This record gives sequence, structure tokens and C-alpha cells, in this order.
Amino acid sequence: NAGVMQNPRHLVRRRGQEARLRCSPMKGHSHVYWYRQLPEEGLKFMVYLQKENIIDESGMPKERFSAEFPKEGPSILRIQQVVRGDSAAYFCASSPGGGGSTDTQYFGPGTRLTVL
Amino acid sequence: DAKTTQPTSMDCAEGRAANLPCNHSTISGNEYVYWYRQIHSQGPQYIIHGLKNNETNEMASLIITEDRKSSTLILPHATLRDTAVYYCIVRVRAAGNKLTFGGGTRVLVKP
Repeated sequence: NAGVMQNPRHLVRRRGQEARLRCSPMKGHSHVYWYRQLPEEGLKFMVYLQKENIIDESGMPKERFSAEFPKEGPSILRIQQVVRGDSAAYFCASSPGGGGSTDTQYFGPGTRLTVL
Repeated sequence: DAKTTQPTSMDCAEGRAANLPCNHSTISGNEYVYWYRQIHSQGPQYIIHGLKNNETNEMASLIITEDRKSSTLILPHATLRDTAVYYCIVRVRAAGNKLTFGGGTRVLVKP
């Protein structure tokens, strides 16, 4: 059973460009979470999505950031007009959903975004 | 979610048991204790979780005190590959509840 997959693993963008980060959850998982880890800092929650719905985006910056999890295909974290402060590792996690004993989150390897 | 307190760092000898403490004195009755670790800059790795009973899996054991105000993660035979930052997180076990990561304990396993 493949784990959570993220691509690209490394992404370099110039200031003002757009960054698209993809996350494919584990097979059978319908809940996706995005976290960000700034250099030398801890992981911070950004957004929680279910298929076609954003459930909790309390950790998302108000501007330039958006996330989606379409009915088909991976979840996408999109950062428009990137700035140097967006340079970080972005981790995706997935869980089966449904509560109970099956809500453990499993993380992908992350995407390291570098903004020049 | 309740706040947790962990030592900033600790060393342990390869082959010996590593005991990682965590205080969560404000834990609520429906909150679970979760442990994750992050090796270098990799994605966090789930280790184990529990409510009030001690738990064991292939990676580690989790000992929770009777009053649930503290817990200990035990790595029975630490290897160099166990060098990582270990996070103790308390949360209600429900779909959608985010993980709140603190500073964790930086564990260095020495030969």
C-alpha cells in the first residue's frame, strides 16, 4: 500500500511566480491536511480538506494561498505570486476519515519550495 | 488541544532503551496522546497513540500515568536511525482535528 505521495519534492520559483504542490493521499483515505514548516521552525497546520470541500482553512494565509481536493486527482496547494518568505517545506498528510480509530494522519515526504 | 511539555534534547546510547517523557497536565478526558517523529527533514512519521492504557507496537511502547497527566515513549533498543525530533501531541481523536506540533525533543543516539 503506497504511502502519501507528494510532488515535486523540490520546487524552485522566482518571486512573483506561481507554485503548485500536489498531494496524493494513501489509498482509501479521503481526508487531506497541509502543514508548513518554515526554516528552523515547527510544523504549522494550514488547511484540512475532504473531497471537493475545504473544511478548515484556519491556518492558511489570507492572500495568495489556496487549496483544493477535487473529486478526481490529487490535492493541490497553490501559492500565487510567491515571495521569499514562502520558502519552506510543505507537508501533506492523509487520514481515512470517519473518526473512531481510523483518523491517524500519515505524512508524505514533503515539497521543499525555494523562492529566489 | 491540551499543551504538552517535552525536554528540548536528550542523548541515548545505541542499543539501550530511550525513555522520552512528556507532560500534559491539562489533558481532557477525550484527548489522546500521539507521538510522531521527524528524521532530519523528512515528513513526520507516526509512532503510536493511546488514551489511558499502555500501548505497544513494533516501533515503541507508550506508558501513560494513571492520572494521564504525563506519558513516556519508550524505544526499546535505540539505533542510530532513531536520531530524530520526537513530538508528543495531545488531541481529540476525530477526523479533521489538526495536529499541533510543539518544539519536540531532539534525540541523538550515540554509538
